[in-house]
Amino acid sequence: GQQVMQIPQYQHVQEGEDFTTYCNSSTTLSNIQWYKQRPGGHPVFLIQLVKSGEVKKQKRLTFQFGEAKKNSSLHITATQTTDVGTYFCAGLRDDKIIFGKGTRLHILP
Amino acid sequence: EAGVVQSPRYKIIEKKQPVAFWCNPISGHNTLYWYLQNLGQGPELLIRYENEEAVDDSQLPKDRFSAERLKGVDSTLKIQPAELGDSAVYLCASSPSGTGYREQYFGPGTRLTVT
Repeated sequence: GQQVMQIPQYQHVQEGEDFTTYCNSSTTLSNIQWYKQRPGGHPVFLIQLVKSGEVKKQKRLTFQFGEAKKNSSLHITATQTTDVGTYFCAGLRDDKIIFGKGTRLHILP
Repeated sequence: EAGVVQSPRYKIIEKKQPVAFWCNPISGHNTLYWYLQNLGQGPELLIRYENEEAVDDSQLPKDRFSAERLKGVDSTLKIQPAELGDSAVYLCASSPSGTGYREQYFGPGTRLTVT
């Protein structure tokens, strides 16, 4: 079963509002990756975090890896309609990669 | 640079029939993955190859699923016989060579419908 939990499952935000999705693991992860999947599309790699407490930014996206390497978050500032899609985290543990179920982001115009 | 190529894009078969999916990874990518993705779920790893060696096939239902990557380039995933519960999108991904775990580039997937 899934060992990487993502919350929330769905999120509806007004365009311009911020959005955050969280990824939690019961065990320590070697690293974590984030992917975005547009409706009808395939997952596209966004970022990889490796170090404890690491923070990376890509324009309006901010990614964090927890100090204990058991959780991660993706924060989008001032959402745009192009941000619509499902955001997946994928954690690596014991040389196995496990995807979360994703958070589906819907933008209200 | 061409992306990961998969064929067919769609397949409809009757249960108990065999089916095969083909994947050609990005040139130079030694690592190849096959995933299964159900609607509203994240990808679930079926098998991972490093060149022609299957290094992780622990999640592959070996009673009906098989995969091969004979020359370490393209790969085929087969299901025989297919069951209704196999209806899903089958994704292939590849990673560039190098140390450590690398980003994955996904293909468009094959949507399988078993009737």
